[in-house]
Amino acid sequence: EAQVTQNPRYLITVTGKKLTVTCSQNMNHEYMSWYRQDPGLGLRQIYYSMNVEVTDKGDVPEGYKVSRKEKRNFPLILESPSPNQTSLYFCASSRQGNSGNTIYFGEGSWLTVV
Amino acid sequence: GNSVTQMEGPVTLSEEAFLTINCTYTATGYPSLFWYVQYPGEGLQLLLKATKADDKGSNKGFEATYRKETTSFHLEKGSVQVSDSAVYFCALSDRGNFNKFYFGSGTKLNVKP
Repeated sequence: EAQVTQNPRYLITVTGKKLTVTCSQNMNHEYMSWYRQDPGLGLRQIYYSMNVEVTDKGDVPEGYKVSRKEKRNFPLILESPSPNQTSLYFCASSRQGNSGNTIYFGEGSWLTVV
Repeated sequence: GNSVTQMEGPVTLSEEAFLTINCTYTATGYPSLFWYVQYPGEGLQLLLKATKADDKGSNKGFEATYRKETTSFHLEKGSVQVSDSAVYFCALSDRGNFNKFYFGSGTKLNVKP
């Protein structure tokens, strides 16, 4: 079954304590990305990756890091989380390049920073 | 630049009512257009898409037509069900970078029995 898997699904953490949200896809997709979803703002892209070792900033990258050492994995790292990073996070993947590509989303990770 | 604007919700309808959720876009060039649906507690799933002007996407009784002249992609369904209650997102992908998506803010639909 085609899947994008994120962990953890729910996390409460404290300001400044580094955390990583993992993301893995089993569809051999080249393209992966992270979004955050906030009320009234829809989904905003944080970072994306076109392939292994190729990453770039999205619309709201501040406070986040990513890496793409393997094709299937794309972890999101919050080096020093702050309360304004409390949000619902989605990892997504798709094939590279063609018009009308479908994005596949993970189930989301609820993160609360206190 | 690229952006998507969709009607604010929540939208509350009775079962079997007609649904329209408006979506308009601005884009540099000719984007592909999508509707995604998010059921409670789940991630987003593709509902339908259209890749060029005048194309109609359809799925599960939902339809949307890519209207270049009005830069719109309104979602419609003739008879909604309680199970259609969800948040609906309109989105476009940038033809200069097909993997770059721009999402609207989402419209929550509540369908009452």
